[in-house]
Amino acid sequence: DSGVTQTPKHLITATGQRVTLRCSPRSGDLSVYWYQQSLDQGLQFLIQYYNGEERAKGNILERFSAQQFPDLHSELNLSSLELGDSALYFCASSVSGAVTGELFFGEGSRLTVL
Amino acid sequence: QQPVQSPQAVILREGEDAVINCSSSKALYSVHWYRQKHGEAPVFLMILLKGGEQMRHEKISASFNEKKQQSSLYLTASQLSYSGTYFCGTEIRNSARQLTFGSGTQLTVLP
Repeated sequence: DSGVTQTPKHLITATGQRVTLRCSPRSGDLSVYWYQQSLDQGLQFLIQYYNGEERAKGNILERFSAQQFPDLHSELNLSSLELGDSALYFCASSVSGAVTGELFFGEGSRLTVL
Repeated sequence: QQPVQSPQAVILREGEDAVINCSSSKALYSVHWYRQKHGEAPVFLMILLKGGEQMRHEKISASFNEKKQQSSLYLTASQLSYSGTYFCGTEIRNSARQLTFGSGTQLTVLP
């Protein structure tokens, strides 16, 4: 158990819909990272937040958005969903804002778009 | 900016050795290695921060050649538990501090 909690674990929805994925970081961790992993693919970096502020942005689509709240939990919002958005979405957390330490990954949220 | 990993897959017998390579076209600040077992979350193995630095995690070690922007992961006397997909992540110098992962190397250790 990494200490990072993601909900929901599984989500099935239809094209055009909107979903929200939630992540609670480890106690004391200020940074939250979102990664997308498609079937048999690597981990695609989406976005990082540090203590409530956006720190780094990767290949995140305009249809996707995220935020980190004062209690440090984070939400990833995916809208106008397409079949290609089906993937495993991982949240990871770390203590600092710099990527010089271990990232602790949650178990992921598996999104299926039909 | 995604690092390139090789090989894409490797199959070996328990007790054999394996090497996984990771290279980048950009100057690197650090290289990270993670292992992901099927259906599970990636788990941290090690970070290499300086050129030529070597780290160890049990019988797994890694090197980082900063000048060549390359890192190698060495799995010695492989155990069944080493099976999984290994990802290298790179942090590029003079860039937003993001960790970009390669496409992974699937390692299968057979009894």
